[in-house]
Amino acid sequence: EAAVTQSPRNKVAVTGGKVTLSCNQTNNHNNMYWYRQDTGHGLRLIHYSYGAGSTEKGDIPDGYKASRPSQENFSLILELATPSQTSVYFCASGEAWGGRDTQYFGPGTRLLVL
Amino acid sequence: AQKVTQTQTSISVVEKTTVTMDCVYETRDSSYFLFWYKQTASGEIVFLIRQDSYKKENATVGHYSLNFQKPKSSIGLIITATQIEDSAVYFCAMREDNYAQGLTFGLGTRVSVFP
Repeated sequence: EAAVTQSPRNKVAVTGGKVTLSCNQTNNHNNMYWYRQDTGHGLRLIHYSYGAGSTEKGDIPDGYKASRPSQENFSLILELATPSQTSVYFCASGEAWGGRDTQYFGPGTRLLVL
Repeated sequence: AQKVTQTQTSISVVEKTTVTMDCVYETRDSSYFLFWYKQTASGEIVFLIRQDSYKKENATVGHYSLNFQKPKSSIGLIITATQIEDSAVYFCAMREDNYAQGLTFGLGTRVSVFP
């Protein structure tokens, strides 16, 4: 049974609209992450969280917000979506072992902003 | 800042043979962690194997093994007895010993296994 799930799996949004991507994990991991994957850039970190109530900026946070209301759930929010945010978004969870943290990924959400 | 480089963009191999792919990294930390992931045709990203910088022994999991050359900042992935299902994009990633920081990924190597 999948331990990290994402919804929706595919999303089409309009420029200027609000988009919320959701992630749920049943690993009971403290740490959760949001990445985006683009050709030529690989996977890049947007936001991460140490646990419920915490969110931290990653390498490319501009234009994104994150919310961690519980241990299991971590959302990525695009308040004003732009075409440059068209991408595939991956959520991951990891054990709270510092740098040893092995991350496990969800199936991804494909977002198209028109 | 961390940096991960995979110079091979694609490799083709015949089934049941061995494939080796390269990865070099840059870091200022003396303690760091190296990972290999596989991305399948469906887009799924799967964790394969990890090497901790303080360990001298090369990690091995199933038919995956690593060639860790610390003086060269190199971590190669070796897949023995390849199968058609090993066709995928393989990503090298690293993380310095900072609590809960994300991974820095290379751009990936596409491996195609042919009968």
